[in-house]
Amino acid sequence: DQQVKQNSPSLSVQEGRISILNCDYTNSMFDYFLWYKKYPAEGPTFLISISSIKDKNEDGRFTVFLNKSAKHLSLHIVPSQPGDSAVYFCAATSNTGNQFYFGTGTSLTVIP
Amino acid sequence: ETGVTQTPRHLVMGMTNKKSLKCEQHLGHNAMYWYKQSAKKPLELMFVYSLEERVENNSVPSRFSPECPNSSHLFLHLHTLQPEDSALYLCASSQDSAGTSGNTIYFGEGSWLTVV
Repeated sequence: DQQVKQNSPSLSVQEGRISILNCDYTNSMFDYFLWYKKYPAEGPTFLISISSIKDKNEDGRFTVFLNKSAKHLSLHIVPSQPGDSAVYFCAATSNTGNQFYFGTGTSLTVIP
Repeated sequence: ETGVTQTPRHLVMGMTNKKSLKCEQHLGHNAMYWYKQSAKKPLELMFVYSLEERVENNSVPSRFSPECPNSSHLFLHLHTLQPEDSALYLCASSQDSAGTSGNTIYFGEGSWLTVV
């Protein structure tokens, strides 16, 4: 049962434009959400997170938005750069569980 | 430089071999994890250790055997694997187990396993 879903397996964006990566979840107990970036043959690297008490968190070019009522979060990358080309995973966890739940990932390609 | 290191990075083993994957974290974390990533599948949690005690085992076949001798080291012992076990095995750590709100998990670079 997939509790965290990334319905777009891939996304292509022109360099300099905005990349928007989406993630949906089903478990209303999730209270902390994370985004990871993964290059081929490497482990995922932590990018940015957001607590359920917030609806936005920003770090440089990366902003995560959380819509709790829709059980939806998104990662915005502005401006997109070719080095951002990677697979992006969203993850969720709660203070009642023992694990992190990951989506299947979205492969972002930024075209120079 | 990652705070979580995994060795070996690549491993090829026969179905009758016994091998081990090693993970070491330099972050002072209390929880460690093994994940499996197969092609076009989500990350699959295999094992969770918190303060060297196993707290989660996601119905992993017994041919995978974890060992956590201390809070900095985690092993995955492999025995009589199948070709379908070929995957990227990721070790990770976090300050506390995932049940703590605001906890962030950090991954190693992974060990690519090929079973022939």
